[in-house]
Amino acid sequence: NAGVTQTPKFQVLKTGQSMTLQCAQDMNHNSMYWYRQDPGMGLRLIYYSASEGTTDKGEVPNGYNVSRLNKREFSLRLESAAPSQTSVYFCASSYVEGSGELFFGEGSRLTVL
Amino acid sequence: GENVEQHPSTLSVQEGDSAVIKCTYSDSASNYFPWYKQELGKRPQLIIDIRSNVGEKKDQRIAVTLNKTAKHFSLHITETQPEDSAVYFCAAVNSNSGYALNFGKGTSLLVTP
Repeated sequence: NAGVTQTPKFQVLKTGQSMTLQCAQDMNHNSMYWYRQDPGMGLRLIYYSASEGTTDKGEVPNGYNVSRLNKREFSLRLESAAPSQTSVYFCASSYVEGSGELFFGEGSRLTVL
Repeated sequence: GENVEQHPSTLSVQEGDSAVIKCTYSDSASNYFPWYKQELGKRPQLIIDIRSNVGEKKDQRIAVTLNKTAKHFSLHITETQPEDSAVYFCAAVNSNSGYALNFGKGTSLLVTP
C-alpha cells in the first residue's frame, strides 16, 4: 500500500519551460489536492479536486493547471515556469465523507532558474 | 475564503516544559480544525483534530482547545521531548464543503534537552 506517490521528487527547469507533476493515490480517496510550501508561507492550496471530474481553484492557482485523470491520479502542470514557482509541491488526498485527514505525498522539489 | 493566522512563528522550549501554539480563523462557518506536524524533510502528518461540537480534545501529551465565540483554537503539548521538534500547522475548514484545508503559516518548535 503505497499511499500517495508523487513524481518527480526533484526537478530543475529553466524559465519558460513546461512540466507536469504527477500524483497517484491507492487509498480509493475521492478528493485530491495540490499544495505548495515556501519558507515562512506555510502550505498554500493551489488546486483541488473534490471528486473525479471536478476541479477547483485554491488560494494560489495562477500559473498552474490541473487534470483529474481518474479517481487515482491528479496532475499539476506548469505551462511556462517562472522563478516564483520555485517551491516544494505536495499532493494530498482524503475521503470527502470521512474523517477529513489529508494524506500527503513525499513532496516534489522544483527549482526554476 | 477562510483566513487562518498562527502564532508564534517560532517557539523554543526546554525539554519537559509545555508548548502552546495559537490560531485564529475568520469564517464562522468553519467547523473542523486539524493540526499537522511536519518533521524536517518529511511530509505533513495529522496529529490531532477537533470539531466545533466539542471544546477540548486530548491524546496523551497533546491537546487542542477551541473557542468558537472568539474564533480561536490552540495546540498544547505537555512534557515536551526533543522528538516534538518540528513545524506545526493549524488549519480550519467548513467540512460541509469538503476538506480543502487553509493552513496557517506554521510554527517551528524547537525542544532543547
